[in-house]
Amino acid sequence: SQQGEEDPQALSIQEGENATMNCSYKTSINNLQWYRQNSGRGLVHLILIRSNEREKHSGRLRVTLDTSKKSSSLLITASRAADTASYFCATVTHDMRFGAGTRLTVKP
Amino acid sequence: DVKVTQSSRYLVKRTGEKVFLECVQDMDHENMFWYRQDPGLGLRLIYFSYDVKMKEKGDIPEGYSVSREKKERFSLILESASTNQTSMYLCASSLWQEANYGYTFGSGTRLTVV
Repeated sequence: SQQGEEDPQALSIQEGENATMNCSYKTSINNLQWYRQNSGRGLVHLILIRSNEREKHSGRLRVTLDTSKKSSSLLITASRAADTASYFCATVTHDMRFGAGTRLTVKP
Repeated sequence: DVKVTQSSRYLVKRTGEKVFLECVQDMDHENMFWYRQDPGLGLRLIYFSYDVKMKEKGDIPEGYSVSREKKERFSLILESASTNQTSMYLCASSLWQEANYGYTFGSGTRLTVV
């Protein structure tokens, strides 16, 4: 069964704006990861945050994790048209489970 | 960089056929996984393997089996393909059992069963 649920399902913004995607999950995790998928392709790993971490940065990406609320958010700052893709959160226990994803469209 | 290669990008098979989807990784990863991806459902775990000859069922193993005879190769087998197995199939590998590192995915195989 799915572990993570992303919100919103779809997001459309203008280039230069920030994009925030949220992920909620149900059980305790070892870590949470965010992936990106361009249309019809495989997933690309973006960032991993461990259960004892609260915030992590990588370039224009900022991930937060609140284990008490069982939720995470991915912030993409200063978005670009090339950021258009689907974004998935994945929760890791002894295996990895994905949510249904957020479809992000960045308009030039 | 780790590379995960799926043998076919697109595949069309007939109902009832036995279908083999092959996945090879080149970085000596212990863990390998098969997911299917369907619109609105995200990725669902079919089977995974932590070592050669080992396999564990994921959430939706019915109608599928797997084979891991060598560490670098993980095959997904559709014993008798059905139209409801039309989907995108994604293979992934990772270094450690608890996946403290990100997974590396292949490009996917889009299977159509007619």
